[in-house]
Amino acid sequence: EVQLVESGGGLVQPGGSLRLSCAASGFTFTSNWMDWVRQAPGKGLVWVSRINSDGSSTTYADSVKGRFTISRDNAKNTLYLQMNSLRAEDTAMYYCARDWGGLSSWGQGTLVTVSS
Amino acid sequence: QSALTQPRSVSGSPGQSVTISCTGTSSDVGGYNYVSWYQQHPGKAPKLMIYDVTNRPSGVPDRFSGSKSGNTASLTISGLQAEDEADYYCCSYAGGSLVFGGGTKLTVL
Repeated sequence: EVQLVESGGGLVQPGGSLRLSCAASGFTFTSNWMDWVRQAPGKGLVWVSRINSDGSSTTYADSVKGRFTISRDNAKNTLYLQMNSLRAEDTAMYYCARDWGGLSSWGQGTLVTVSS
Repeated sequence: QSALTQPRSVSGSPGQSVTISCTGTSSDVGGYNYVSWYQQHPGKAPKLMIYDVTNRPSGVPDRFSGSKSGNTASLTISGLQAEDEADYYCCSYAGGSLVFGGGTKLTVL
């Protein structure tokens, strides 16, 4: 069974940093591209970032480019999202997703709140 | 990276069919056969319902179908059931990135 478990969310002040993690199991992590998607409270889904299977290629939404960094540790089957210079508008549930024939599996999400 | 355009809401009675549209541009929906659809119930993670425009993942009922014409993709749900009431999002590949629609709330009357 495919499982994705996010962690690392919490309350952070504007300008602060957080690192999200996504532990993967039940599939061959090293063969899959992975994505982060976020959802502000009461709002729709927004794609954030994508990484290829070996970590050599990454892409970002314009709204996070230069502030967020996606990475992965294939030895640990774990995906990361380093978030710096956080803003109030980054407040959202952050989901990691397996990118295989669409975003085929999703975690339960981790909530990030940016507030003073 | 502008969001794809979906109707805010649609509704239908049990047993009826509804279609949700998703309009983009030639740089996303119209340019690639990589449109997917997601169902999200309140407080839950999204679930993939359709990928690559027309394909259904294992376990998704065949009442759900997808299509595309030009810059507009569509999700059709036939034989509506109460459990289909949810938010639905389209998503398209956009040349290296992904872009979602704003979401459509489906109400089963």
